[in-house]
Amino acid sequence: QKEVEQNSGPLSVPEGAIASLNCTYSDRGSQSFFWYRQYSGKSPELIMSIYSNGDKEDGRFTAQLNKASQYVSLLIRDSQPSDSATYLCAVTQGTPLGRLYFGRGTQLTVWP
Amino acid sequence: GAVVSQHPSWVICKSGTSVKIECRSLDFQATTMFWYRQFPKQSLMLMATSNEGSKATYEQGVEKDKFLINHASLTLSTLTVTSAHPEDSSFYICSARDAGRGGTGELFFGEGSRLTVL
Repeated sequence: QKEVEQNSGPLSVPEGAIASLNCTYSDRGSQSFFWYRQYSGKSPELIMSIYSNGDKEDGRFTAQLNKASQYVSLLIRDSQPSDSATYLCAVTQGTPLGRLYFGRGTQLTVWP
Repeated sequence: GAVVSQHPSWVICKSGTSVKIECRSLDFQATTMFWYRQFPKQSLMLMATSNEGSKATYEQGVEKDKFLINHASLTLSTLTVTSAHPEDSSFYICSARDAGRGGTGELFFGEGSRLTVL
């Protein structure tokens, strides 16, 4: 399995602040990139997907992709305590489509 | 979004026994499903790709004789942990891709099955 690297954190931000999560990947052939949120003891839920260079915004979330630098990030604006979770970066590598490789996750805590 | 269901959610078994976990796509057909394992405070590790009507493809380092995968229909894949030992205790999660949504690779995850081997 190729590597997907994330800062494990923990990352702690106050309510209303911007949380910035980063991820790098080793396989230049990676085509699709995802951010998942995982609460303790639960399975991951998809937050954002991004496929081309640049920014993609969805509500309070913005994903940024730079394939040349093999870097993908997630910004969470106006962070809320309910955003406290582990955020997993995932990339697809090879075939079949859908084989996802995950980073170790960054634990985010938003304090009121 | 599409729904993927796993059963059981929790299972406790004695060392040496076998445990079967089911993964169902409830509102779509999945020719391919994926099985992941997650140890505490670790990330999800892809174990194998389950292919409907054919043999599963296992990731490097995963014992295919220990983790038996069957994908007999377009909506059901099963993972059997054979002769389970305490080190197999983990959170097992399946996922499936809705082929009808095109080639984006977006996966839908089951709720996970927590296995504890005594």
